[in-house]
Amino acid sequence: AQKVTQAQTEISVVEKEDVTLDCVYETRDTTYYLFWYKQPPSGELVFLIRRNSFDEQNEISGRYSWNFQKSTSSFNFTITASQVVDSAVYFCALSEANTGFQKLVFGTGTRLLVSP
Amino acid sequence: GAGVSQTPSNKVTEKGKYVELRCDPISGHTALYWYRQSLGQGPEFLIYFQGTGAADDSGLPNDRFFAVRPEGSVSTLKIQRTERGDSAVYLCASSPLKGGYGYTFGSGTRLTVV
Repeated sequence: AQKVTQAQTEISVVEKEDVTLDCVYETRDTTYYLFWYKQPPSGELVFLIRRNSFDEQNEISGRYSWNFQKSTSSFNFTITASQVVDSAVYFCALSEANTGFQKLVFGTGTRLLVSP
Repeated sequence: GAGVSQTPSNKVTEKGKYVELRCDPISGHTALYWYRQSLGQGPEFLIYFQGTGAADDSGLPNDRFFAVRPEGSVSTLKIQRTERGDSAVYLCASSPLKGGYGYTFGSGTRLTVV
């Protein structure tokens, strides 16, 4: 069965610090997608990134970077030089080929608080 | 529309009442999803539509929950005989393709059953 674990419930940092949000997943499928979403106080889930299981290249987008390691079933998310606007709850999620990629299984989220 | 629209944004109802939650997806998106997010948890899948038909309703918790999408656009999630445990944020998402592509979520309807 698929499962996503985000062990960090809440992280507090001061602006300009780097922060890494951990995500560990479980799946029996060999083909799957991994996602990160941001949920600001407004409540809307904002899509950040999607990676497929065959692409382990790390990705960087501005201050955001993602480290995908199949060997440890992890898909960690790093924010460099954090800003107050990064404060939100961040969710890691998984979808599998055996469900036609139709279901997202989410972790419980990590609340990031960035103070000035 | 420009985004996924959900109405109402907040709904307070008494235990035992019937409620309807509406989702208006992005124009042209054929796939539509409903998720439920309880306090402090991640969203949980309820049901998925491809066009007018419910392709997977395995996440609906019981037969008090039902959803329709009669014209392949707007969807309504219906909850009968509401219970306090139904209190949550109900999120709708839509996608132009058959999944795996990062759905666009609405802001949700916060349902409170008192």
